Amino acid sequence: GIQVEQSPPDLILQEGANSTLRCNFSDSVNNLQWFHQNPWGQLINLFYIPSGTKQNGRLSATTVATERYSLLYISSSQTTDSGVYFCAVESGVNDMRFGAGTRLTVKP
Amino acid sequence: EPEVTQTPSHQVTQMGQEVILRCVPISNHLYFYWYRQILGQKVEFLVSFYNNEISEKSEIFDDQFSVERPDGSNFTLKIRSTKLEDSAMYFCASSGRLAGGPQDTQYFGPGTRLTVL
Repeated sequence: GIQVEQSPPDLILQEGANSTLRCNFSDSVNNLQWFHQNPWGQLINLFYIPSGTKQNGRLSATTVATERYSLLYISSSQTTDSGVYFCAVESGVNDMRFGAGTRLTVKP
Repeated sequence: EPEVTQTPSHQVTQMGQEVILRCVPISNHLYFYWYRQILGQKVEFLVSFYNNEISEKSEIFDDQFSVERPDGSNFTLKIRSTKLEDSAMYFCASSGRLAGGPQDTQYFGPGTRLTVL
């Protein structure tokens, strides 16, 4: 099956800093989503982005499908951005596969 | 904004017992999913469901598990004879994907934390 790798596994930032999270995948995809898992365990959908670029406030994402990677940018990070960020992909069938996540800690 | 709901939020059961986890997908969504997340690990796909039948299932989804859409709104996951290793957060999701159409955003419920003692 498709492999999903996320980097870095852990990231510690000072409030106000910017960051880039990466997701590499091993096959062509027709769905790619970024999620934020908050401290209560909820999975919050950030972007549906199988290709192209999207922005939502301080967050933006870019997927280069031909090169099999996606990037999530967080600008001017806040303590509430802390949590685990997951990338998940579907490749042709109805089974979305998640990466291992990037654990982000934003310090005040 | 429509959302996926799940009940209960937390279920505690004894090993060997059967549990049913319930989900109400977003109205008019056609594709439904179950995932699980063992504490500290990544989210794992269990099963997808469309048109009243299983569309895909992972190697985790063995004969111990079953899914059902008993009425027009609920989507359930049954785990027979629970084991200690079934302890996890179980997430339901639904997608606005059109019948036979391309993939679309999956929206996740808040999860049910299952604890098997």
